[in-house]
Amino acid sequence: DTAVSQTPKYLVTQMGNDKSIKCEQNLGHDTMYWYKQDSKKFLKIMFSYNNKELIINETVPNRFSPKSPDKAHLNLHINSLELGDSAVYFCASSKTGAGYTFGSGTRLTVV
Amino acid sequence: QQQVKQSPQSLIVQKGGISIINCAYENTAFDYFPWYQQFPGKGPALLIAIRPDVSEKKEGRFTISFNKSAKQFSLHIMDSQPGDSATYFCAASLGGSTLGRLYFGRGTQLTVWP
Repeated sequence: DTAVSQTPKYLVTQMGNDKSIKCEQNLGHDTMYWYKQDSKKFLKIMFSYNNKELIINETVPNRFSPKSPDKAHLNLHINSLELGDSAVYFCASSKTGAGYTFGSGTRLTVV
Repeated sequence: QQQVKQSPQSLIVQKGGISIINCAYENTAFDYFPWYQQFPGKGPALLIAIRPDVSEKKEGRFTISFNKSAKQFSLHIMDSQPGDSATYFCAASLGGSTLGRLYFGRGTQLTVWP
């Protein structure tokens, strides 16, 4: 199946832990993104990579670090998790100038 | 600063009715205007999109109306069905150096009553 796949789908962890979310796309797109969706459904961009190069780095705590080993993968690592990090995180990809294809999301709950 | 403003925040429509969601933007350099549909537990999915050289685009029951001079665009869902109940996001993007980054509206929760 051609898609954007992210793992895990659910992540429950304690405050202070470090966790990673992985994302892979097999659509041949050149740009990948991480979005955070809060409880009010607002989609807030966090990072964007184009061909492994960071091009968008919004005002995000530096506890969040993206890594793109190749243009088909964009992972998100979060250090020292806080309660306020609880949200749904979406990975997306696009061909330049066209719409995004989103993954199905990772629901992160910090307890 | 919200680049794309969307209204209403929530909308309740009876089955068979017309659902209308409106968006407004300020940046006249935006050149691509998609709408996304999101069901609970799923990622947003591209529904329909328009470029500013046309005033209307229709795909089945879904129509985008685009008013370039007013800097507004809207989604019309004809013959709304309970299966259309979802959150809808409008968006706009710039080409060029932003590489097509999308700016999203805050979303509209649509409920269609049977």
